[in-house]
Amino acid sequence: EDKVVQSPLSLVVHEGDTVTLNCSYEVTNFRSLLWYKQEKKAPTFLFMLTSSGIEKKSGRLSSILDKKELFSILNITATQTGDSAIYLCAVEYSNYQLIWGAGTKLIIKP
Amino acid sequence: DGGITQSPKYLFRKEGQNVTLSCEQNLNHDAMYWYRQDPGQGLRLIYYSQIVNDFQKGDIAEGYSVSREKKESFPLTVTSAQKNPTAFYLCASKSGGASGELFFGEGSRLTVL
Repeated sequence: EDKVVQSPLSLVVHEGDTVTLNCSYEVTNFRSLLWYKQEKKAPTFLFMLTSSGIEKKSGRLSSILDKKELFSILNITATQTGDSAIYLCAVEYSNYQLIWGAGTKLIIKP
Repeated sequence: DGGITQSPKYLFRKEGQNVTLSCEQNLNHDAMYWYRQDPGQGLRLIYYSQIVNDFQKGDIAEGYSVSREKKESFPLTVTSAQKNPTAFYLCASKSGGASGELFFGEGSRLTVL
């Protein structure tokens, strides 16, 4: 059975810390892996990864995919209270279908 | 501005009543989705549609119905057969074909009294 597992499920850190969120998957016909940030309502897109070993970066956020070991990590450096959110990982396995992880709830304490 | 509009944002319903959630997109996307999100959980797929007049059940379609009469619109009806309908509902859309991100609406929070 296809699945996407995120860890940890929740995480509390202090402002300025660096965090690493994990997403592992077992999905046939892998096409891409996507990361989203959900603060209150609509998830907002962060990254789409299709190739192993190529880091994608946006400001303090970065992500990388390992297609051999079947996982991705999302790093956030110098965390700020505005980074508090649920971070969702999804794996696309066809033109139209994705499997979602349960999400990691990140809380940044000032 | 292009985007996805969901309405209403908040909805209260008495047990036994059907309710319809609206989702409209002006992104010219082929595919549209309905997800349900419960507290502390990820997204679970209710229905999706790849083209007009066609849709497929997702993982938790029981108690829900949809239609796709226009490319821009994908309404979701939560029927009285849905045993636990209180949840946050998200509509999303995506261009067909190649891999790409999903675009989400702001969501509709349904509470059954």
